Amino acid sequence: GAVVSQHPSWVICKSGTSVKIECRSLDFQATTMFWYRQFPKQSLMLMATSNEGSKATYEQGVEKDKFLINHASLTLSTLTVTSAHPEDSSFYICSAREVTGDNSPLHFGNGTRLTVT
Amino acid sequence: DAKTTQPTSMDCAEGRAANLPCNHSTISGNEYVYWYRQIHSQGPQYIIHGLKNNETNEMASLIITEDRKSSTLILPHATLRDTAVYYCIVSARKLVFGKGTKLTVNP
Repeated sequence: GAVVSQHPSWVICKSGTSVKIECRSLDFQATTMFWYRQFPKQSLMLMATSNEGSKATYEQGVEKDKFLINHASLTLSTLTVTSAHPEDSSFYICSAREVTGDNSPLHFGNGTRLTVT
Repeated sequence: DAKTTQPTSMDCAEGRAANLPCNHSTISGNEYVYWYRQIHSQGPQYIIHGLKNNETNEMASLIITEDRKSSTLILPHATLRDTAVYYCIVSARKLVFGKGTKLTVNP
């Protein structure tokens, strides 16, 4: 089946620094990838839609200058949390859909747990 | 995207069928019903999806009512490893997660 790989699986950084998270579709091409955030005991919250070759579309309330998304190829999207603060500590999850069609299922990575100290 | 309503939690005995309901009364004609599950601290796992016909795969069956306003996910023989939060999502493109149903399979 389709595999989405996220790296790193966990990261600890100091307040004020930036952290980059990679999301790769290993055996399929994805024109669209989605980034989610999940706080403890809560559901996944969609942050943005990452489109290959164009600017990402952010959900309401998500700061585009703080969460930089780059989707440079059909198999790689990156999320950079800039000037991270403790309140950015969360579980970040990416997902990707095969190029075949809008109704094909999303496949999710195993998430990145970010802790900002 | 249409909203969904799911019970907060359910219990099931190991080896029995688990039937998880979902209401989506505002579903549009082009929206699919997707089911995912999330085991603690992992990314969501795709289970099954459908438009209007019932679907079955190696993991589960999806029963969609004729008016498409509700659906049921069936795990035919639940195991302890099926303990997870199950999400029913109705979408035409992007997936917006609700709170899901926490299914606990008991020995």
